[in-house]
Amino acid sequence: AQSVSQHNHHVILSEAASLELGCNYSYGGTVNLFWYVQYPGQHLQLLLKYFSGDPLVKGIKGFEAEFIKSKFSFNLRKPSVQWSDTAEYFCAVSKAAGNKLTFGGGTRVLVKP
Amino acid sequence: ETGVTQTPRHLVMGMTNKKSLKCEQHLGHNAMYWYKQSAKKPLELMFVYSLEERVENNSVPSRFSPECPNSSHLFLHLHTLQPEDSALYLCASSQGEWETQYFGPGTRLLVL
Repeated sequence: AQSVSQHNHHVILSEAASLELGCNYSYGGTVNLFWYVQYPGQHLQLLLKYFSGDPLVKGIKGFEAEFIKSKFSFNLRKPSVQWSDTAEYFCAVSKAAGNKLTFGGGTRVLVKP
Repeated sequence: ETGVTQTPRHLVMGMTNKKSLKCEQHLGHNAMYWYKQSAKKPLELMFVYSLEERVENNSVPSRFSPECPNSSHLFLHLHTLQPEDSALYLCASSQGEWETQYFGPGTRLLVL
């Protein structure tokens, strides 16, 4: 069965620090990859997605993610975080088009001002 | 952002009550989804509707009953729930089945 792993459950860092959140998946075929963010008290929002093409994907709010097929990974990065980046981040994977979306367990990020 | 709305936002119910959760999408999408988000667990897919037909029931107990009267509305009818059903219930929609999903704010349910 397809699975998605997010290595860190909680991350605490200071403003201006760099952030990298890991995401690994188990499926070996063609995949579509997503990062969603859930700010406190708000709904899940799409941060960025990868379907094909350039493996380095730029998203909203300065986030980017890199798809490394050989490592089955889709890590999320931001060079310099802000207090407003405090949120829970979810990685999600589906097998190409027309297939079920599987979510990772989420990573709670707390940015200290 | 009002693309996908859910009501109520919070609900407290007893185990013998019957209640319904409502989801409405204003994006012109053809597929809608119910997810359950419990503490310390990944989002769990419950149901998928595409063009108003149920295409997936992810082994959800019968005390949860979905209804999709049209492509813009999705309901989750609740009956004789258990305390472990307390969770955040999220609705999502997408243009086509399993295309990029857009989520509502959720209904936080507490079953006493």
